[in-house]
Amino acid sequence: DAGVTQSPTHLIKTRGQQVTLRCSPKSGHDTVSWYQQALGQGPQFIFQYYEEEERQRGNFPDRFSGHQFPNYSSELNVNALLLGDSALYLCASSLAISEAFFGQGTRLTVV
Amino acid sequence: KQEVTQIPAALSVPEGENLVLNCSFTDSAIYNLQWFRQDPGKGLTSLLLIQSSQREQTSGRLNASLDKSSGRSTLYIAASQPGDSATYLCAVDTGRRALTFGSGTRLQVQP
Repeated sequence: DAGVTQSPTHLIKTRGQQVTLRCSPKSGHDTVSWYQQALGQGPQFIFQYYEEEERQRGNFPDRFSGHQFPNYSSELNVNALLLGDSALYLCASSLAISEAFFGQGTRLTVV
Repeated sequence: KQEVTQIPAALSVPEGENLVLNCSFTDSAIYNLQWFRQDPGKGLTSLLLIQSSQREQTSGRLNASLDKSSGRSTLYIAASQPGDSATYLCAVDTGRRALTFGSGTRLQVQP
């Protein structure tokens, strides 16, 4: 079992551009959540996908959107990038009310 | 709104010491609490999951306790080793699988 895998590992984008991050959940997990972690802070919940629908959302603007595919993998899209979007983006998967498993993250730098 | 606080923010101890990390949360209506370890620039590794009906969980040299009524959890690390150096994060789940994190305790174990 490969666990939760995220791609790419690192990414550098220019302010105003758009970015797509990808996540494959742990085998058998049906729920994917995305988190943003700024330097020195704990992760902040962005949104969660279950059965290909956004089930809940944290306090993030509409520039942040996502998608879940039938195989449970997920994408996080961020439009009109700001310098403040620079962070480590973490994907977590889970099954029912169970332990959450996290990927290694994607380090996004906006210049 | 659930808020999670971790004390201390940073801790430096000599190898071999037993230590306690603290986590407090404002809303006692949680479903579970999870402790994670994070190495610099990396993803989160799950250490222990405590369901709301449980009082403690143990894994090797780690023991986590939960007191829902007082909104507190502690992570006890026995016989600390330099390899334990990392940031330790606690997170609570209010039943919707969206975790609320503290800012973490940065632990340095001196050889």
